[in-house]
Amino acid sequence: GAGVSQTPSNKVTEKGKYVELRCDPISGHTALYWYRQSLGQGPEFLIYFQGTGAADDSGLPNDRFFAVRPEGSVSTLKIQRTERGDSAVYLCASSSMGQAGTQYFGPGTRLTVL
Amino acid sequence: GNSVTQMEGPVTLSEEAFLTINCTYTATGYPSLFWYVQYPGEGLQLLLKATKADDKGSNKGFEATYRKETTSFHLEKGSVQVSDSAVYFCALNPPDYKLSFGAGTTVTVRA
Repeated sequence: GAGVSQTPSNKVTEKGKYVELRCDPISGHTALYWYRQSLGQGPEFLIYFQGTGAADDSGLPNDRFFAVRPEGSVSTLKIQRTERGDSAVYLCASSSMGQAGTQYFGPGTRLTVL
Repeated sequence: GNSVTQMEGPVTLSEEAFLTINCTYTATGYPSLFWYVQYPGEGLQLLLKATKADDKGSNKGFEATYRKETTSFHLEKGSVQVSDSAVYFCALNPPDYKLSFGAGTTVTVRA
C-alpha cells in the first residue's frame, strides 16, 4: 500500500506568517509522529499521537507550534508567527500498534522562513 | 537521558570497499536500535533494526549487531556500490516511541 505522504513538499513563507503542514499516515496505522530535522542534524521528536489524542507533545519547542489529528488519520502541524529559526524539514512518521518502535517516515516538508 | 553518537562524516569510498559506520548509544532500559538511510532527494527509510542484545539486523548487504556490553550498533557492508551513497542515521527507541537519532553520516561511493 501507499506509504506516508506529506504536503506540501516545500513551503516558503515570510517571518510572522502562519503555516500548516499535512501528513497522511499509512492506512491503518494508529500512531503518528512529527519530527523536525535541521540542516546537518538527525530528526528531533516533536509530538506523538495515538489515535486522535496527542499522547506526548513534550518535543514542541514553544506554544507557536500545535498539531491536530481530529479523525485519527490525517494530521496537521500548525506553526503560528513563524520565525527564521523554524526553517527545517518537518518529518511525519506512522506505526501500527503491533510494530512498536518501527516507524515509517514520509518524505518531509521543507519549510523556509524568509 | 537517551542519546546516540555516530561517526562523523563525510565518508568517501571507492566501489567494492568495506564500509563501517560506528554508532554508540546511551539509554535507560532495553532500547530497540535502528539504522535509517536517506538517499539523495528521498525520505528516511528503515534499513535494518535489532530489538534485543546480540540480535543482528541485516538488509541489502548491510549488517549491524546489537552489542549491549559495548552499547554499540555499528553498521557494516562488505562491498559498497555507488548506489549506497546516502546519509545514514543510527537511532534508538527506548522503547517509548520517541526515536532518538544520531547526527547522520554522509557516505559517498565513487566508481
